Amino acid sequence: DGGITQSPKYLFRKEGQNVTLSCEQNLNHDAMYWYRQDPGQGLRLIYYSQIVNDFQKGDIAEGYSVSREKKESFPLTVTSAQKNPTAFYLCASSMGRLAGSRETQYFGPGTRLLVL
Amino acid sequence: QKEVEQNSGPLSVPEGAIASLNCTYSDRGSQSFFWYRQYSGKSPELIMFIYSNGDKEDGRFTAQLNKASQYVSLLIRDSQPSDSATYLCAMRNSGNTPLVFGKGTRLSVIA
Repeated sequence: DGGITQSPKYLFRKEGQNVTLSCEQNLNHDAMYWYRQDPGQGLRLIYYSQIVNDFQKGDIAEGYSVSREKKESFPLTVTSAQKNPTAFYLCASSMGRLAGSRETQYFGPGTRLLVL
Repeated sequence: QKEVEQNSGPLSVPEGAIASLNCTYSDRGSQSFFWYRQYSGKSPELIMFIYSNGDKEDGRFTAQLNKASQYVSLLIRDSQPSDSATYLCAMRNSGNTPLVFGKGTRLSVIA
């Protein structure tokens, strides 16, 4: 099956703990994105990567970190500096820089992060 | 700051009626527009995209774009209870920059 997978589906974080959310895609897409969604809210961009070994901050990057060591993988770490991490986290991918402004972003199933 | 505005709803329509969802945007450089449907607890799925002024039809869905007035809309004909979801409007202004999303409109189709 081609697509985007995210794990785990639910994640619980204790106070002061760093947690990492996994995102993998087998669509051969160059670009990958992380969004956060709070109840009744739209999607806010955390980080994005247009190519391996390169990434840019989005609108709400504080308290988060990412890496892009492989084309297929774009893990997101929620650090202890993120004081209000409870949200639905969505990973997305798209073809990348050669596709232009018309390219579509496809989403994974999401990870729901809860604070204990 | 690029902004995409949507009425949060809920928009309630009877089964079989036309549902009209609207979106306005602030960035005149916006080139591409997308509508996503999101069921409760699920991730967004693409319904339609539109790049040129005018209408674009796909089955029961019609997207309408008016760049001069900076709005894009989605019409759903013969609305079904299964259409009940939140509809997210998104836009992009250039290259493969990330999509900018509105907060979504919740649609409820009453049987």
